[in-house]
Amino acid sequence: AQSVTQLGSHVSVSEGALVLLRCNYSSSVPPYLFWYVQYPNQGLQLLLKYTTGATLVKGINGFEAEFKKSETSFHLTKPSAHMSDAAEYFCAVTFYSSASKIIFGSGTRLSIRP
Amino acid sequence: DGGITQSPKYLFRKEGQNVTLSCEQNLNHDAMYWYRQDPGQGLRLIYYSQIVNDFQKGDIAEGYSVSREKKESFPLTVTSAQKNPTAFYLCASTPTGSPNTEAFFGQGTRLTVV
Repeated sequence: AQSVTQLGSHVSVSEGALVLLRCNYSSSVPPYLFWYVQYPNQGLQLLLKYTTGATLVKGINGFEAEFKKSETSFHLTKPSAHMSDAAEYFCAVTFYSSASKIIFGSGTRLSIRP
Repeated sequence: DGGITQSPKYLFRKEGQNVTLSCEQNLNHDAMYWYRQDPGQGLRLIYYSQIVNDFQKGDIAEGYSVSREKKESFPLTVTSAQKNPTAFYLCASTPTGSPNTEAFFGQGTRLTVV
């Protein structure tokens, strides 16, 4: 079965520290992978996506993610956290074989300590 | 500007009443989705539609109904059969047949039963 797992429902880091949010997927076919960010009482917006080509993907606000097929992972990182990064982050996956089916992870709430 | 508009942003419902949440998009997308979001549970798919006059149940369709009479509109009705309707509801859209394209989200409707 196809699925997405986000490890850690809540991650807290200090301002200026490395941000690492984990995402693993399960699939027998090549995936398309996405990270979305959600600020309180708002919809989701795209941070970055991997479809084909380069496995290191850069997104908005200084975030990046690396697709590692051997580890079935797509972890999100940012070298230096900013207070404005506090939000909920969702990993999502789609597949060519089921174009309209989006599978979301359960989300990770990122808190930033001053 | 193209986008998805959800209305109202906040909605209050008395127990036993049906309410309808509006979702309109001008992105010319074929596929539209309704998600329910509860704290700590991520996004759960209620219904989705890949084309006008056709829609499919998602994972938690009981107590909800939808229609897709126009490409631009995908309203969601929360019926009195939904036992715990208080939640944040998100509408999204994607182009059909493009799994490598991200979903676009509305700003959400927060429904509260009073």
